[in-house]
Amino acid sequence: NAGVTQTPKFRILKIGQSMTLQCTQDMNHNYMYWYRQDPGMGLKLIYYSVGAGITDKGEVPNGYNVSRSTTEDFPLRLELAAPSQTSVYFCASSYGDWTGIGNTIYFGEGSWLTVV
Amino acid sequence: QKEVEQNSGPLSVPEGAIASLNCTYSDRGSQSFFWYRQYSGKSPELIMSIYSNGDKEDGRFTAQLNKASQYVSLLIRDSQPSDSATYLCAVNEGYSTLTFGKGTMLLVSP
Repeated sequence: NAGVTQTPKFRILKIGQSMTLQCTQDMNHNYMYWYRQDPGMGLKLIYYSVGAGITDKGEVPNGYNVSRSTTEDFPLRLELAAPSQTSVYFCASSYGDWTGIGNTIYFGEGSWLTVV
Repeated sequence: QKEVEQNSGPLSVPEGAIASLNCTYSDRGSQSFFWYRQYSGKSPELIMSIYSNGDKEDGRFTAQLNKASQYVSLLIRDSQPSDSATYLCAVNEGYSTLTFGKGTMLLVSP
């Protein structure tokens, strides 16, 4: 049971380039999330999905796109990379329910992205 | 804008002492509260969850919730150097998403 798997772990991008961060979970969770964490800061929600085919914006969605074609996969697309997108990105998943009660979020190991 | 506030620290305690970590939140409608531990360079991992007013104990950890004061805390008894990490407070925000505080760094000295 691998849990939440993210790739790549490290990446350096040039300004203006695009890339996709991959995320896969094998726990059959309906809910998936992308967070970013800047140094000394908490986690900020970028996008989330409550099931295949359904996505919604979080607190900081600008410059990113997501898709959810299957329950397992939730890739994050960075278009026209900017230095402000230098951060650590965490994918996460949870069984979830509308009240949040009992909602344990499981995180991937993180992807360190630097835009130069 | 829903907010979760934590003292950034660092909070320094000697080995064997009780560490007290505090968190306040702005949304009175929040129903579930979580404490995550994050070691440097690692992903957050869940330590405790609490949903009702009062105390919840799990081993050396006790979470305390006071919804009237919009306050949640985490006590770590018999602190160990291995407890040195950043502790993130998180509060539910509908659709099972969480709002995280910036975290409190805990340093436990031998």
